[in-house]
Amino acid sequence: SSDLTQPPSVSVSPGQTARITCLRHSLPKRYTYWYQQKPGQAPVLVIYKDSERPSGIPDRFSGSSSGTEVTLTISGVQAEDEADYYCQSADSSATYVVFGGGTKLTVL
Amino acid sequence: EGQLAESGGGLVQPGGSLRLSCAASGFSFRTYWMTWIRQVPGKGLEWVANIKEDGYEKNYVDQVKGRFTISRDNARDSLYLQMNNLRVEDTAVFYCARGGGHDVLTGDVFPLDVWGQGTKVTVSS
Repeated sequence: SSDLTQPPSVSVSPGQTARITCLRHSLPKRYTYWYQQKPGQAPVLVIYKDSERPSGIPDRFSGSSSGTEVTLTISGVQAEDEADYYCQSADSSATYVVFGGGTKLTVL
Repeated sequence: EGQLAESGGGLVQPGGSLRLSCAASGFSFRTYWMTWIRQVPGKGLEWVANIKEDGYEKNYVDQVKGRFTISRDNARDSLYLQMNNLRVEDTAVFYCARGGGHDVLTGDVFPLDVWGQGTKVTVSS
């Protein structure tokens, strides 16, 4: 089992809000990062430090954290947002990178 | 912003070796931790190894310890992954990425904010 648990899939209609959760098990409180990966492409960082958005990432992407649960929210989902999304954190020494299992976002 | 380009992947028999390279450009390579991540086709991301800016600290996932060696050449802006005694289960796309080590200022981990396009490694007889 993974130290970071994500739902395997989330489905939403265009224009709706998608929420992808990441539960932290036995890992210390650390920043969480989110990556978007489209088929055949490398992952792209979309959220860092739980809720910060890199330049160039649309503002419909946001992140939040509460206790052991971290959430990636995509407001007004567009067809181009269909992708796999991975959360990422680290162990207690902040040395070993840990990924969640990934969530496939389907835009209906 | 920076770019990374991997090379060196290919088909190798079980027990064989490969050396992956990652060429960096557009940023000060010597000031960043660097990381290798792999992805089995159709599966999720798996952290493989990382290396500190000066190359003196290296960390590995348990599955590759003793078989893989991460290294860097800051004069050539290049990252490497020497993979020995390869197994069928090492078959994956390997990505290099900027970041991933610990930030002494925050005590947390750096984000993986620049990724290469990946190089495919197939271990099969």
